[in-house]
Amino acid sequence: QSALTQPASVSGSPGQSITISCTGTSSDVGGYNYVSWYQQHPGKAPKLMIYEVSNRPSGVSNRFSGSKSGNTASLTISGLQAEDEADYYCSSYTSSSTSVVFGGGTKLTVL
Amino acid sequence: EVQLVQSGAEVKKPGESLKISCKGSGYSFTSYWIGWVRQMPGKGLEWMGIIYPGDSDTRYSPSFQGQVTISADKSISTAYLQWSSLKASDTAMYYCARAPTLGYYYGMDVWGQGTTVTVSS
Repeated sequence: QSALTQPASVSGSPGQSITISCTGTSSDVGGYNYVSWYQQHPGKAPKLMIYEVSNRPSGVSNRFSGSKSGNTASLTISGLQAEDEADYYCSSYTSSSTSVVFGGGTKLTVL
Repeated sequence: EVQLVQSGAEVKKPGESLKISCKGSGYSFTSYWIGWVRQMPGKGLEWMGIIYPGDSDTRYSPSFQGQVTISADKSISTAYLQWSSLKASDTAMYYCARAPTLGYYYGMDVWGQGTTVTVSS
């Protein structure tokens, strides 16, 4: 099964907003509201940032928000901070195999 | 405190078998799915499969079906990932993580610290 498509890298300056896209198909992102986003710092385990497209787990900053339009989901980080520099991964349920598929990951650089 | 604690790093030879573990604590182990995620060196996350310890319902990614076995022993709140014959390409970090009873696709909110598996002759 194919991974979801994410840009390899994005960057922004402190205080700015950035958006990371995650493109799939009608069998995954477009067909279900089961998109999650994870943050991973180097050498650390991933951390859940968004689930069900736009819900934040307790303790996650409200600077992180998620949305979806058609087959593309998006993660927006507002008020960028140095600590946001990390890799970000989207995931989605896929009906083609009744499993979960990750995106290839996006490296966020805070300039 | 809710946590998943994984077994330690492993160094194995090609063809050997291996079983790594993930022990849950601080929550009802049988009320959450436990999934496994592979991360090869310098690469992204790959969803391998998931098990519901309450009834042993197990799902696999097509990419990993037949390559690994996921199991759980609810009496000791531990999930396992097993290989019968390792290959060099199995060298990776393996994470376990839990997902809610509602559905294994709802997002994994608690992660283990990871287990490094190195396969080399």
